[in-house]
Amino acid sequence: KAGVTQTPRYLIKTRGQQVTLSCSPISGHRSVSWYQQTPGQGLQFLFEYFSETQRNKGNFPGRFSGRQFSNSRSEMNVSTLELGDSALYLCASSEGLAGGYEQYFGPGTRLTVT
Amino acid sequence: AQSVTQLGSHVSVSEGALVLLRCNYSSSVPPYLFWYVQYPNQGLQLLLKYTTGATLVKGINGFEAEFKKSETSFHLTKPSAHMSDAAEYFCAVIGASGSRLTFGEGTQLTVNP
Repeated sequence: KAGVTQTPRYLIKTRGQQVTLSCSPISGHRSVSWYQQTPGQGLQFLFEYFSETQRNKGNFPGRFSGRQFSNSRSEMNVSTLELGDSALYLCASSEGLAGGYEQYFGPGTRLTVT
Repeated sequence: AQSVTQLGSHVSVSEGALVLLRCNYSSSVPPYLFWYVQYPNQGLQLLLKYTTGATLVKGINGFEAEFKKSETSFHLTKPSAHMSDAAEYFCAVIGASGSRLTFGEGTQLTVNP
């Protein structure tokens, strides 16, 4: 099976712009989660989608949003970019929502905001 | 709320020496515990996980971890370090939140020849 894929791998944006990141989960996986990784804050949970519905949300401002499509692919959007949004954004997929399911991570999208 | 604390942001060992990376958790419910490894410019790879059952968990690449409820610990060990083990290691927990992973701060492992 192919692993989790994320596009693009690298992105440079300017403050005030918006950005959309894409994640394709492993075939058959219905849950997709997003995490932000920064040197200062570490790995932080953004949100989780299952069957096209947001099931869980982390403590991030409303500028961060996401969605999931019927084929389980997911996108996350960040509007009005700030310098502090520069980070590695990781997507993870799993078969289901329960904690016992393994989460498989993609390689991430490195976002730089200038 | 659940949390994990990794003791030591940097650990340095010699090739062939024991690797011990420490993780303590806090959870109000029986937790699921995980260790992930991250190589430079890559995502996270699952090394091992504890859900229920046997408290000594064996993972990939010769790593293992022991769940000790009395000590609220889940330390990661490997008997003999290889140069290829140099990476950042993250302990994570899923507790009452259901499926959200809460990560520790990470431990950067350096392996010296």
